[in-house]
Amino acid sequence: GQQLNQSPQSMFIQEGEDVSMNCTSSSIFNTWLWYKQDPGEGPVLLIALYKAGELTSNGRLTAQFGITRKDSFLNISASIPSDVGIYFCAGHSPTSGTYKYIFGTGTRLKVLA
Amino acid sequence: NAGVTQTPKFQVLKTGQSMTLQCAQDMNHEYMSWYRQDPGMGLRLIHYSVGAGITDQGEVPNGYNVSRSTTEDFPLRLLSAAPSQTSVYFCASSSRQGTQPQHFGDGTRLSIL
Repeated sequence: GQQLNQSPQSMFIQEGEDVSMNCTSSSIFNTWLWYKQDPGEGPVLLIALYKAGELTSNGRLTAQFGITRKDSFLNISASIPSDVGIYFCAGHSPTSGTYKYIFGTGTRLKVLA
Repeated sequence: NAGVTQTPKFQVLKTGQSMTLQCAQDMNHEYMSWYRQDPGMGLRLIHYSVGAGITDQGEVPNGYNVSRSTTEDFPLRLLSAAPSQTSVYFCASSSRQGTQPQHFGDGTRLSIL
């Protein structure tokens, strides 16, 4: 089945550093979502994007809906230890059927204090 | 503040056994879905439902059955468990209004011996 290409797969960063990750698709999406998953828990929604070019922030997190509609980016500024976890992107394609989202394989973030 | 509730949280089965994973939501969401999460694979859609009495197959439906007799509940049944079904299972729900984000439960960790 179709999956999104999410990169990087994992990253170690120092506390206080900024983090960037992205998702790309071969098809056009009309919605992008970013989730965070802590160990032993389900994914929690961070940011939802609905329009090409849209830039949305949630605290230290900022996500953008790529202008081509085939990619999205998530930035975390001034990382802290509790940012550790797996970050997933998810996209909805107009051709994938109503309500059906496609998920990326995740970016595993580890923050070194 | 329940949201999406999954039970059990952990389960170990022997090959050939059957069991039902429970999922309930209290947000009056029309859309519910089941995913499995395997290392390096992201979230893959098993089955989904757009309302009571309506279900459909996702990306990896083989070996699983679902039913939706009420808006609140969406159980997932394994008829004859196989080791390949060892995974973490997540249930999610969303409003039917547009492409609304999905809200996830905390997952069921299932091991098939």
